[in-house]
Amino acid sequence: DGGITQSPKYLFRKEGQNVTLSCEQNLNHDAMYWYRQDPGQGLRLIYYSQIVNDFQKGDIAEGYSVSREKKESFPLTVTSAQKNPTAFYLCASAAGTVSYEQYFGPGTRLTVT
Amino acid sequence: LAKTTQPISMDSYEGQEVNITCSHNNIATNDYITWYQQFPSQGPRFIIQGYKTKVTNEVASLFIPADRKSSTLSLPRVSLSDTAVYYCLVGYSGNTPLVFGKGTRLSVIA
Repeated sequence: DGGITQSPKYLFRKEGQNVTLSCEQNLNHDAMYWYRQDPGQGLRLIYYSQIVNDFQKGDIAEGYSVSREKKESFPLTVTSAQKNPTAFYLCASAAGTVSYEQYFGPGTRLTVT
Repeated sequence: LAKTTQPISMDSYEGQEVNITCSHNNIATNDYITWYQQFPSQGPRFIIQGYKTKVTNEVASLFIPADRKSSTLSLPRVSLSDTAVYYCLVGYSGNTPLVFGKGTRLSVIA
């Protein structure tokens, strides 16, 4: 059953702690993306990667870090430097450079108190 | 990146056809127009994509006039389960990621 998985679905952390969100895909897609969504807002791009061992910053990369050591995995770390980390985080993938047809995971809702 | 403008919200009764229009005056020659649907607490889902004229699939139709400065997503005979946010995006199959705006919140009423 092909698709994108994100874990966990809900995550709670104390302020000042780093936290890593998982994203795995078995679609054999080259490109992967991380978005952040705040209530009532659209999606904002954090980081994206079009090939293994390479990634680029999106619009709101500050306070976040990523790695792309394997084609199927693109974990996102929310660092303590991110001033307002509580949000809904979405991971997506796309085949090659067909960026306009992205497949999204179910999302992780992160709450930092 | 071409900027898109779409209504913030729309209401419709069940069984009606819903048309959501998106303006993209600065669309580039090689840009495609893509629509996504998002339910609460879920990731967006690709609905339809087109370049010009009309595209139809099992879910929706997409109408694109000759000047391509706007597009209309048409949902036939909506049901309560079509209540969602619909995003219009413009981009191309290159290395530039898509930009999601705030979308149009469609509420279907019984």
